[in-house]
Amino acid sequence: KNQVEQSPQSLIILEGKNCTLQCNYTVSPFSNLRWYKQDTGRGPVSLTIMTFSENTKSNGRYTATLDADTKQSSLHITASQLSDSASYICVVASGGSYIPTFGRGTSLIVHP
Amino acid sequence: NAGVTQTPKFRILKIGQSMTLQCTQDMNHNYMYWYRQDPGMGLKLIYYSVGAGITDKGEVPNGYNVSRSTTEDFPLRLELAAPSQTSVYFCASSPGTDFYSNQPQHFGDGTRLSIL
Repeated sequence: KNQVEQSPQSLIILEGKNCTLQCNYTVSPFSNLRWYKQDTGRGPVSLTIMTFSENTKSNGRYTATLDADTKQSSLHITASQLSDSASYICVVASGGSYIPTFGRGTSLIVHP
Repeated sequence: NAGVTQTPKFRILKIGQSMTLQCTQDMNHNYMYWYRQDPGMGLKLIYYSVGAGITDKGEVPNGYNVSRSTTEDFPLRLELAAPSQTSVYFCASSPGTDFYSNQPQHFGDGTRLSIL
């Protein structure tokens, strides 16, 4: 069964600090991995999309990494801001399937 | 561009009632999707459409129906509402599918549905 596990479940950091969120998956065959940011009461917004051949992708202060061999991904947030407070969701798409596998998300709270 | 628009934003239904959740997109995307998000759980795909007139079941289709008569609109129908369908429903669209397109899905802001 395809699964996506995210850790930690929740995280509290101070404004200006860096943090790293983890995503482990057992989806096969692998097509691509996406990170989304979901603000409270809003729909998810795409941050990065990585295919099998990509191991790093950045979007401003967000940098995602992918290790396809170990089936792990991380999302690094640099110099956090209050607006980074949100849920971060890892999604893995399987080749040949329209049904992606979503993680449960990591809830990030940035305090001033 | 409004992107993906969902209506209503909130709704309370009684058990056994029916309703239609509306979704429209103005990006001319061929692919549209309906998801549900339960508290503490990952999103689950209910139905998807690869173009006008073509729909197919996702992971959790029971209790729902969809239609796609135009590129822009993809309504989700609940025929006999049950408490298990209490959830937040998200509609999304994309230019291509997940497995051969690196285009992101664009999500609406959701419909929060409670069934009592």
